[in-house]
Amino acid sequence: AQKITQTQPGMFVQEKEAVTLDCTYDTSDQSYGLFWYKQPSSGEMIFLIYQGSYDEQNATEGRYSLNFQKARKSANLVISASQLGDSAMYFCAMRPNQAGTALIFGKGTTLSVSS
Amino acid sequence: GAVVSQHPSWVICKSGTSVKIECRSLDFQATTMFWYRQFPKQSLMLMATSNEGSKATYEQGVEKDKFLINHASLTLSTLTVTSAHPEDSSFYICSARSRGAPYEQYFGPGTRLTVT
Repeated sequence: AQKITQTQPGMFVQEKEAVTLDCTYDTSDQSYGLFWYKQPSSGEMIFLIYQGSYDEQNATEGRYSLNFQKARKSANLVISASQLGDSAMYFCAMRPNQAGTALIFGKGTTLSVSS
Repeated sequence: GAVVSQHPSWVICKSGTSVKIECRSLDFQATTMFWYRQFPKQSLMLMATSNEGSKATYEQGVEKDKFLINHASLTLSTLTVTSAHPEDSSFYICSARSRGAPYEQYFGPGTRLTVT
């Protein structure tokens, strides 16, 4: 069965520090995609970063980077220089190989950034 | 590009009434739309997948007679919660895929439903 596991219900970090949010996945597909989304209290799903299973380099988008370890089936999100506005819920999601199927989401991690 | 809108953004209705939520793709044709439900501090739970012009496919445990989904055009899908009860109060999010990007999924801003 395809599954995303996020084991950290909540994480706390101080402003300007880096934080890593964990994500492991389970799939037998050879081709798949991994996403991270941010969901602030407003509820909108904000796309942060994407990693394809065949991408050899870790994806980066500004302060976000994805630490992709394929053999370990992990896709951790690293946020550098945390800001107060980063406080939100973060979801890791997987796009299965089959076109037209929905993203599979993890349970999410609530990140709280303090000053 | 790739904007998905939802209307209304929030709605309060009385128990026993029905409420319709619209999901529109504004600048692309959505061949597939997904409806999710999310309770506070929980993950998104897929309710159903709808393809334009065909019946929706519901996930196990989702009552298809209660949550009516219609995907009548390439830019509009609707979710109707029939005979709503307080336990139907939740955040409903739609997302859409386009013909040209079958692996991308674009999310609407969500609709908060409160049933009193």
